[in-house]
Amino acid sequence: AQTVTQSQPEMSVQEAETVTLSCTYDTSENNYYLFWYKQPPSRQMILVIRQEAYKQQNATENRFSVNFQKAAKSFSLKISDSQLGDTAMYFCAFIYGNQGGKLIFGQGTELSVKP
Amino acid sequence: DTAVSQTPKYLVTQMGNDKSIKCEQNLGHDTMYWYKQDSKKFLKIMFSYNNKELIINETVPNRFSPKSPDKAHLNLHINSLELGDSAVYFCASSHGVSYGYTFGSGTRLTVV
Repeated sequence: AQTVTQSQPEMSVQEAETVTLSCTYDTSENNYYLFWYKQPPSRQMILVIRQEAYKQQNATENRFSVNFQKAAKSFSLKISDSQLGDTAMYFCAFIYGNQGGKLIFGQGTELSVKP
Repeated sequence: DTAVSQTPKYLVTQMGNDKSIKCEQNLGHDTMYWYKQDSKKFLKIMFSYNNKELIINETVPNRFSPKSPDKAHLNLHINSLELGDSAVYFCASSHGVSYGYTFGSGTRLTVV
């Protein structure tokens, strides 16, 4: 069975600093996709970044980047120049298979950005 | 235009009642989902439909029944509501697994 683990229930960071959120996963699949979703207090689920397992290059989206270590089954999210609007719950998620595969979420990390 | 829209956003109802949550997507996606987010914010899949066909049915009580009249709509009907059904229910859609899901804004269901 596939599992996703986020070991940091809560984190905080000062505005403009950098923070890294951890995620590990367990799977026997070779081709899969990993995602980070953000859930601000508005409750909306927002896709932050995605990574294809067959690509060695780490994905980057503006201030957000990942450190994907396939052998270690690790997928951390780095947020640079943190902004107050980054305050949210962050979920790591995993999916494999074809059409209709289910997205499996970690427990989430609640990030607070302090002024 | 909202890509995945759910109604209602909030639902407060008494134990024993029957209620429905509606979901519509205008993205042309073939697959739609229902997820439940519990009080600890954990998200778990309930159902998945691909082109109106049920393809994922997790361990969910029979009181929950999804219905997909066409591939743009996936509704969730809940019979005999219980206190433990209180949660946020998210609808989502996808076009293949590689792009992740697009989520609706969620429905907060409170059973009193």
